[in-house]
Amino acid sequence: AQTVTQSQPEMSVQEAETVTLSCTYDTSESDYYLFWYKQPPSRQMILVIRQEAYKQQNATENRFSVNFQKAAKSFSLKISDSQLGDAAMYFCAYRSAAGTYKYIFGTGTRLKVLA
Amino acid sequence: GAVVSQHPSWVICKSGTSVKIECRSLDFQATTMFWYRQFPKQSLMLMATSNEGSKATYEQGVEKDKFLINHASLTLSTLTVTSAHPEDSSFYICSATRQGMGTEAFFGQGTRLTVV
Repeated sequence: AQTVTQSQPEMSVQEAETVTLSCTYDTSESDYYLFWYKQPPSRQMILVIRQEAYKQQNATENRFSVNFQKAAKSFSLKISDSQLGDAAMYFCAYRSAAGTYKYIFGTGTRLKVLA
Repeated sequence: GAVVSQHPSWVICKSGTSVKIECRSLDFQATTMFWYRQFPKQSLMLMATSNEGSKATYEQGVEKDKFLINHASLTLSTLTVTSAHPEDSSFYICSATRQGMGTEAFFGQGTRLTVV
């Protein structure tokens, strides 16, 4: 079975600075997708960024980028120029490329942004 | 964009009663819908996978007789918590994948259930 691990329960970053959130996963599959979701106090899940396992190039979305290391099964999220609105819970998620498409979530990292 | 709407956003019910939560895909047909439960400050735990016109697939440890899932159409899935107890109090979230574009899941805004 697949597992997703986020080892940082909480992180803090100064406004305008850069922060990296860690995520590791375990799977025997070769084809899958990885995601970072943001959950603000409203509890609405918001997709931040996705990565296809077959792509070697790291995904980037504006201030958000990932460091995808397939061999190491690592998928970290880098937030540049942090803003107050980035404060939220961040969940790393895994989804198989086949089957039922269900997501497996990590335990989350609470990000605090300090003014 | 794809919108998933949950109703109600919050509900309070008495122990022993049943409560139904709706999950609708507003502007797309959802191949599959998923139901999650989230305890305070914890992650989302998948409860079941719901496919239109077929029985839901429940995760291990989830009581299928307690958490009834019906997926009557490609735009609606319902979760009914039967004979609710205080320990069923939680935040329930649904998500849906879009037919033909299965990579991303779209999430509802969640339902906070409090059983008193």
